[in-house]
Amino acid sequence: AQKITQTQPGMFVQEKEAVTLDCTYDTSDPSYGLFWYKQPSSGEMIFLIYQGSYDQQNATEGRYSLNFQKARKSANLVISASQLGDSAMYFCAMREGFEYSGAGSYQLTFGKGTKLSVIP
Amino acid sequence: ETGVTQSPTHLIKTRGQQVTLRCSSQSGHNTVSWYQQALGQGPQFIFQYYREEENGRGNFPPRFSGLQFPNYSSELNVNALELDDSALYLCASTKSSSGGVFQETQYFGPGTRLLVL
Repeated sequence: AQKITQTQPGMFVQEKEAVTLDCTYDTSDPSYGLFWYKQPSSGEMIFLIYQGSYDQQNATEGRYSLNFQKARKSANLVISASQLGDSAMYFCAMREGFEYSGAGSYQLTFGKGTKLSVIP
Repeated sequence: ETGVTQSPTHLIKTRGQQVTLRCSSQSGHNTVSWYQQALGQGPQFIFQYYREEENGRGNFPPRFSGLQFPNYSSELNVNALELDDSALYLCASTKSSSGGVFQETQYFGPGTRLLVL
């Protein structure tokens, strides 16, 4: 079963409008973290926002906010006031609570991504 | 800028050959992970190194191996290359505290694009 599901292969948004990118996840671990990364065509993964499983409030980072609905196991990314530079691939990822010896596991499980195109 | 660099940026190999990819992390980053990203897919975890030892592996065969050095650099080695190894290879590093705090950010490099013919 997919651990991270992103159902929108591609999305279009008008410049200055808001857009929501969907992400659902599957885990039986009570401790986990959810991340969103942006990947421009250059390939580098850029960290956008983080939400912990025990966080009571939705995370916000500038124009990015995460709509966290724990019971539904969803963690949707909302980008407000879209800019042309927001055009990129967006990946939702999860880190679960197991630990490796000596250090926590930093293993991220990624979804397949959503390609966002911002239209002038 | 994440402070993580990778080399080379692009590489072409033939089936059966061996390849070494390199990653240089930020000073003090004692944990490095490697990911394989096939075209049109999300990255897949290969393995993690902590203080120069592999301490976690994803679903990849032993011909994928790595090294981590005291100077915060690391290598990914792939033996007996197969066509399906063609992908973008990403390394990610972080400074791990005991137990691994969830919100510690991993910093990704720009990746190495490997093409196997």
